[in-house]
Amino acid sequence: QVQLQQSGPGLVKPSQTLSLTCVISGDSVSNSSAAWNWIRQSPSRGLEWLGRTYYRSKWYSDYGVSVKSRIAIDPDTSKNQFSLQLTSVTPEDTAVYYCARDRGRVFVHWGQGTLVTVSS
Amino acid sequence: DIQMTQSPSSLSASVGDRVTITCRASQGISNYLAWYQQKPGKVPNLLIYAASALQSGVPSRFSGSGSGTDFTLTISSLQPEDVATYYCQQYNSAPFTFGGGTKLEIK
Repeated sequence: QVQLQQSGPGLVKPSQTLSLTCVISGDSVSNSSAAWNWIRQSPSRGLEWLGRTYYRSKWYSDYGVSVKSRIAIDPDTSKNQFSLQLTSVTPEDTAVYYCARDRGRVFVHWGQGTLVTVSS
Repeated sequence: DIQMTQSPSSLSASVGDRVTITCRASQGISNYLAWYQQKPGKVPNLLIYAASALQSGVPSRFSGSGSGTDFTLTISSLQPEDVATYYCQQYNSAPFTFGGGTKLEIK
């Protein structure tokens, strides 16, 4: 079955870049029936969809409005994984970050979650 | 963005009670509505998609209904293991958005 394993630092300094990776097993990042998402959760913002990448004859990405100017979600087909980069972070970006594989835009498979704290 | 509003934000009920949670969308989303259950310290778990379709492995005491802007999640007979926070999510159009959650406790 599909499993998603997240990795990345739990502490990021303000103004720096948050980087997380999600390794996929049991599926392919190039699966044209899937999309690969990042979602975060915090007490102040609740569950917030950040964006996704997906392959439909070519690669696409789309992003949430609140982070659109600071975010990149990229696939890595050689390692069967995808990544999140969020630039210019502030303490408001402190949250648990999840990667997720959807099925028809519904989130069926989730990574284990990574608590990322933005603090100096 | 489509805003999703859940009510109530918290709920306390007795074992065996019928429990209903409501979710309202700021514009019509047809039946593109999912419900998730999140237990403390755990990852959200999909319960229902397409407003009323039960995800494989989810107990039949959970059901969903609605279309357009108004949706409900019902637990027909509350069990102790149902203590959790429940979220709705619209997937009619990106950006996909979640409700604020309903925290369910046992009396």
